[in-house]
Amino acid sequence: GQNIDQPTEMTATEGAIVQINCTYQTSGFNGLFWYQQHAGEAPTFLSYNVLDGLEEKGRFSSFLSRSKGYSYLLLKELQMKDSASYLCAVRVDNYGQNFVFGPGTRLSVLP
Amino acid sequence: DAGITQSPRHKVTETGTPVTLRCHQTENHRYMYWYRQDPGHGLRLIHYSYGVKDTDKGEVSDGYSVSRSKTEDFLLTLESATSSQTSVYFCAISEPLGQGNAFFGQGTRLTVV
Repeated sequence: GQNIDQPTEMTATEGAIVQINCTYQTSGFNGLFWYQQHAGEAPTFLSYNVLDGLEEKGRFSSFLSRSKGYSYLLLKELQMKDSASYLCAVRVDNYGQNFVFGPGTRLSVLP
Repeated sequence: DAGITQSPRHKVTETGTPVTLRCHQTENHRYMYWYRQDPGHGLRLIHYSYGVKDTDKGEVSDGYSVSRSKTEDFLLTLESATSSQTSVYFCAISEPLGQGNAFFGQGTRLTVV
């Protein structure tokens, strides 16, 4: 089976740094994705990791450890507009391009 | 932004009636997906397509069927709607080249009463 775990909710203060963790156990692995989803909207792509290590993109960074089945998304200099759900997804095979999504982490940024 | 359009955006239907949701893309991406999103479950794959007339079942396919007669269109049909199918439905597309990340449509909120 496929299992992806994330914390359900997190709260942080504007200007702070927050780390959202994701652990996965899947039948295959061909990349890990992070998506942002504002309430009532579609998910939008944030980051992609396929090799171990850190990928940095502006205020957002994502880390992957394939041996531990672990990833995190790091958000720096939090802004109110970062209040959203963050979805961790694993692409489990290359042929079917099947994505398995975690339940999402709802982040609230407080002033 | 990827060109993906879902229709309708909102629909209320009665139990037992058939319902068809449409996904249209202008990106010529090979893969198309239908997901449903429910509180506590995240996005769950219903069906996907890897080419015209090539489709396969996902994790929660019971009660749903799909068709893809053209590259740009992927239809999801609820054969006989039930209250458990009340959900938000998202269409997504991806292309196997490069990262191959998925792009999502704006979603369809379906209520079965």
